[in-house]
Amino acid sequence: DAKTTQPTSMDCAEGRAANLPCNHSTISGNEYVYWYRQIHSQGPQYIIHGLKNNETNEMASLIITEDRKSSTLILPHATLRDTAVYYCIVLRTGNQFYFGTGTSLTVIP
Amino acid sequence: DAGVIQSPRHEVTEMGQEVTLRCKPISGHDYLFWYRQTMMRGLELLIYFNNNVPIDDSGMPEDRFSAKMPNASFSTLKIQPSEPRDSAVYFCASSSAGSGGTEAFFGQGTRLTVV
Repeated sequence: DAKTTQPTSMDCAEGRAANLPCNHSTISGNEYVYWYRQIHSQGPQYIIHGLKNNETNEMASLIITEDRKSSTLILPHATLRDTAVYYCIVLRTGNQFYFGTGTSLTVIP
Repeated sequence: DAGVIQSPRHEVTEMGQEVTLRCKPISGHDYLFWYRQTMMRGLELLIYFNNNVPIDDSGMPEDRFSAKMPNASFSTLKIQPSEPRDSAVYFCASSSAGSGGTEAFFGQGTRLTVV
């Protein structure tokens, strides 16, 4: 099963882009990359997912390298409300989401 | 849709008592998941259902834990007897099957404290 590696913590200045990296070097060809975030005491919130093409929605952009061994979540203009733990997940068989330790992002005023 | 609804939001119980956590998934979703979150272990998948049938319960910590899904709109997670180490936030999530990937939607969780 593909595992993910993320930095434990990151800081970002308010208004700047936050770039959160994730390594998933053992990803299989049919496995998707998902990003979730969890704001303190709340349930995890879906952000974005992709297979091999870059994706963008109203919340973020997802850049996946051509070899699919890593990806980057980009929050284009970070706000204080983006302070959260961000999880990168490679979807296993079925729909089970297994969460790692994630990256704790702190947006600094 | 109101999203995934969990009840109660908070539960405090004494060691040895039975605890039942409840979850109403999003209508039309055919997958339902139970997670537990603690500081030490993070988010752990306990069990998941597909079309009301338990598919994988390998994450259930021990026989004191049981989960049921009697119909598509309701699931329970029961702990009997409860122990202090069961104190955690329990999340329920639901999703639908489909090609192209599909996201899971989480409830707000039940914070369980066993004293």
